[in-house]
Amino acid sequence: EAGVAQSPRYKIIEKRQSVAFWCNPISGHATLYWYQQILGQGPKLLIQFQNNGVVDDSQLPKDRFSAERLKGVDSTLKIQPAKLEDSAVYLCASRTSGRAVEQFFGPGTRLTVL
Amino acid sequence: QQQVKQSPQSLIVQKGGISIINCAYENTAFDYFPWYQQFPGKGPALLIAIRPDVSEKKEGRFTISFNKSAKQFSLHIMDSQPGDSATYFCAASDNFGNEKLTFGTGTRLTIIP
Repeated sequence: EAGVAQSPRYKIIEKRQSVAFWCNPISGHATLYWYQQILGQGPKLLIQFQNNGVVDDSQLPKDRFSAERLKGVDSTLKIQPAKLEDSAVYLCASRTSGRAVEQFFGPGTRLTVL
Repeated sequence: QQQVKQSPQSLIVQKGGISIINCAYENTAFDYFPWYQQFPGKGPALLIAIRPDVSEKKEGRFTISFNKSAKQFSLHIMDSQPGDSATYFCAASDNFGNEKLTFGTGTRLTIIP
């Protein structure tokens, strides 16, 4: 079974520039998450999708971050414009439906904002 | 109320020893408590998880102890090996894991020969 795929793996941009990350979840996984992991901290949820609908985006900085999940499969997370404090690893995770079901994480995209 | 507090921040254990990492939570609605292991450059991977209807769960060398009244849970790694060197995160979720995971701050574990 293929895992969660993310690209790019690394990205360096200047502040105020835009950046986009892509995630392909495990086939058949209806729920998709984007987490932000700042160095030395645990992952923090940004947004949760169920199929192509948003379940929870309460911690997404909506003035600069946006995310979409077209056709309930792939997802993109965009930052526009980026700030220095956005430097982090952006993790995508997915899981199938059901109780106490494991979330599978991708390798993440490491973003550095200069 | 959504926080999960994790300690210690870092831990050094001799090979063959027992590694113990502790977490505490406040939200009594949490009902799913997984531990994740993360190696450098990789995403977190589920190690073991527990529901609050049991006080202990063991899988191989890894054991979760759960104290519902104290709102605490811990990970014990028996016979720690160099390959266990990684960062460990506790997490919690409600609605039987259907909701978001709230992660602890992580423990960097180093196993020395």
